[in-house]
Amino acid sequence: AQSVTQLGSHVSVSEGALVLLRCNYSSSVPPYLFWYVQYPNQGLQLLLKYTSAATLVKGINGFEAEFKKSETSFHLTKPSAHMSDAAEYFCAVSPRTNAGKSTFGDGTTLTVKP
Amino acid sequence: GAGVSQSPSNKVTEKGKDVELRCDPISGHTALYWYRQRLGQGLEFLIYFQGNSAPDKSGLPSDRFSAERTGESVSTLTIQRTQQEDSAVYLCASSLAPGQGGELFFGEGSRLTVL
Repeated sequence: AQSVTQLGSHVSVSEGALVLLRCNYSSSVPPYLFWYVQYPNQGLQLLLKYTSAATLVKGINGFEAEFKKSETSFHLTKPSAHMSDAAEYFCAVSPRTNAGKSTFGDGTTLTVKP
Repeated sequence: GAGVSQSPSNKVTEKGKDVELRCDPISGHTALYWYRQRLGQGLEFLIYFQGNSAPDKSGLPSDRFSAERTGESVSTLTIQRTQQEDSAVYLCASSLAPGQGGELFFGEGSRLTVL
């Protein structure tokens, strides 16, 4: 069975500060890993994904995430927060095998203060 | 269209009525998911289809909720005898088969309001 834990349901940063959203996973084999973003009153869209190539993955809007197998983590970072980054962020895992479904974390709400 | 399509986008109903929500996935996507998202909350998993079968329906909150999928395409989520606590946005997502990348593509959702 696989699971996802997002540490911190709410994160608040100042504009220009580092953004760090934490995600840890549990899976019997290394899964595919994803971050999705949901802007206010919008649907979810893919921010970035890790499949099997480089462990540092770059996504849209300056976000990136690093897959660390030893720590079973896939934390999302952005060097400098912008007001437009305020949104809900979801970490998700998906199996590499031909069975099983994707699993989402509970989400982290990012607030950016001016 | 090329994306996941959901209808209706908005539905207002009276308590006790039945509602049907429809999802048209991306063509060729064998996996289909239904989620519920209450105001200000995260994603609540409801049911997962692989093809026309539902190997995981553990998230359906009660027997008032049911879903089906036909032709490995369209899916319908039915809520019988709606209650006010059913008010939420119902999101549908589709993806390729497990093990083929895993990215979910979401529709815009169906906003259900039960008066």
